[in-house]
Amino acid sequence: QKEVEQNSGPLSVPEGAIASLNCTYSDRVSQSFFWYRQYSGKSPELIMSIYSNGDKEDGRFTAQLNKASQYVSLLIRDSQPSDSATYLCAVYMYSGGGADGLTFGKGTHLIIQP
Amino acid sequence: GAVVSQHPSRVICKSGTSVKIECRSLDFQATTMFWYRQFPKQSLMLMATSNEGSKATYEQGVEKDKFLINHASLTLSTLTVTSAHPEDSSFYICSARSTPAGALNTGELFFGEGSRLTVL
Repeated sequence: QKEVEQNSGPLSVPEGAIASLNCTYSDRVSQSFFWYRQYSGKSPELIMSIYSNGDKEDGRFTAQLNKASQYVSLLIRDSQPSDSATYLCAVYMYSGGGADGLTFGKGTHLIIQP
Repeated sequence: GAVVSQHPSRVICKSGTSVKIECRSLDFQATTMFWYRQFPKQSLMLMATSNEGSKATYEQGVEKDKFLINHASLTLSTLTVTSAHPEDSSFYICSARSTPAGALNTGELFFGEGSRLTVL
């Protein structure tokens, strides 16, 4: 059973601080990793993708991937109230996972406190 | 990123009626689209894979006669919830991949805006 685990939260972070979201996955052959942001009542929006070990930065967002330890994280610098949302970690395998190849975590609910 | 449009965004219907939801890829051709359902405070659950020109592939536990999927063209897939009941009330989301010819499929998915179905 391929699994993606996330702490459901809520994770509360003061405005301006760094929010750190973590995700672990069970299958070593996983190849692509994604972070989606989902506001309440809305569909997921892709915010970061990462494919190789190390860090990938895009604006205030940094994704970190460690395949040996099977975890992927998302850092949000200078957190803003508009960052308050549920963040879904998704792991892709060319074979396995669902028919779409993706396995989603249940999401972490992030709250940025003004 | 690629744009996927979904309509309607909200629909309220009476128990026993059927509801159709459309999913369109606006700036790319999608041979495969995916349909998800999401209940409150739960993650996305893949319902079925919609294949252009062929029958949809349903996940285990999803009734294919209740959730009819048609993928008539490379840019349009429809989900029809037949004889809807209150327990079918949920958030339905479609998605698609945009992979340029010859490029490696990285697995990135683009989602439609979602359709909230309420069955009275």
